[in-house]
Amino acid sequence: GENVEQHPSTLSVQEGDSAVIKCTYSDSASNYFPWYKQELGKRPQLIIDIRSNVGEKKDQRIAVTLNKTAKHFSLHITETQPEDSAVYFCAAGTGTASKLTFGTGTRLQVTL
Amino acid sequence: NAGVTQTPKFRVLKTGQSMTLLCAQDMNHEYMYWYRQDPGMGLRLIHYSVGEGTTAKGEVPDGYNVSRLKKQNFLLGLESAAPSQTSVYFCASSGRGNTEAFFGQGTRLTVV
Repeated sequence: GENVEQHPSTLSVQEGDSAVIKCTYSDSASNYFPWYKQELGKRPQLIIDIRSNVGEKKDQRIAVTLNKTAKHFSLHITETQPEDSAVYFCAAGTGTASKLTFGTGTRLQVTL
Repeated sequence: NAGVTQTPKFRVLKTGQSMTLLCAQDMNHEYMYWYRQDPGMGLRLIHYSVGEGTTAKGEVPDGYNVSRLKKQNFLLGLESAAPSQTSVYFCASSGRGNTEAFFGQGTRLTVV
């Protein structure tokens, strides 16, 4: 089955700096790559996603890049703010059922 | 729209007891999922359903059973609870194709 690895497990940045989280996947059939943000005690919520026919997608301060050949994708957050502090999960989906395999999460801490 | 609703939110079970977690969605989604979330392990898929009357095993199905008798409901059962099943359980649903998975608020289950 699919295996998704995510790094780093924790990341601390100063407010205004950029943060980058990287994920690799193993199944070349995976074609959907969402990123979820989970605040403490809350449910995961989608922040951005990318499909395998696209190399990069941007939404304001958030961007995701995908390298299908190398089987890795990354989340980039620019101009970080304290409210960006949360746990971020990458995931890979195969087929039409959005059956997602998640990474183990990155705890992002944005300090003042 | 309530989205995805899980009941109960918290539960404490004794080893060997049984219980059922209920997930309800009002978005007319075809696909529904049950995940468990444990510290440092991300979200792992237990079982999923691609339509009313159908279910399939995910990554960690042992010790759990599911049923999808109605399109809007997906039930997760524990027949004989074990301490290893102490976790936070999330239900999710999504539409056809690789689209956003919406999560419920989670159920914190403790087995003593």
